[in-house]
Amino acid sequence: EVQLVESGGGLVKPGGSLRLSCAASGFTFSSYSMNWVRQAPGKGLEWVSSISSRSSYIYYADSMKGRFTVSRDNSKNSLYLQMNSLRAEDTAVYYCARDSHPQSGYLLLDAFDIWGQGTMVTVSS
Amino acid sequence: EIVMTQSPATLSVSPGERATLSCRASQSVSSNLAWYQQKPGQAPRLLIYGASTRATGIPARFSGSGSGTEFTLTISSLQSEDFAVYYCQQYNNWPQTFGQGTKLEIK
Repeated sequence: EVQLVESGGGLVKPGGSLRLSCAASGFTFSSYSMNWVRQAPGKGLEWVSSISSRSSYIYYADSMKGRFTVSRDNSKNSLYLQMNSLRAEDTAVYYCARDSHPQSGYLLLDAFDIWGQGTMVTVSS
Repeated sequence: EIVMTQSPATLSVSPGERATLSCRASQSVSSNLAWYQQKPGQAPRLLIYGASTRATGIPARFSGSGSGTEFTLTISSLQSEDFAVYYCQQYNNWPQTFGQGTKLEIK
């Protein structure tokens, strides 16, 4: 079964840090670009970051640049999101999501066909 | 940044009837448009990509149309499990952006 499972969420104080993980299974992880998308409580979906299959290309939403770092370890079938200088407005469910089509190392825009169940991040004092 | 605007915000439809949801882009996104369904407490589920191609396992009652700036998701005969929030997403330009969602509720 194709599956993504996030972990690492929790309660953190403003200015603090958190590292999210996403474990992939059931598909060739190293062939797909991966993404992080978040959803604040009661709000819509917001794209956070994307990383190409070999980590050669990385993009971030402007509000996360300089604070968030995406990475992956293809040997462990895992995706990560290091979040620093967290703010109250970063409170959200964070989802990892797979691009719909395998790509040969480039970072091309695509729909997201597989999503994890999400992990909740709460930034509060 | 391309702004995606969905309408209406809430749509009330009876089971068995047709639902039509709209999504408008602030500039052309060609056919690089996806639709997702999200139920409470669940992750989004891909329904349509390329504006009109159903994702794997999606029932034929879901159909997408449009190109450029105007898009439509049609659910031909609503089933009880279809009542949810629907989002459109453009993936033509960085940053990829989502609409604010349309809540489809039972009338």
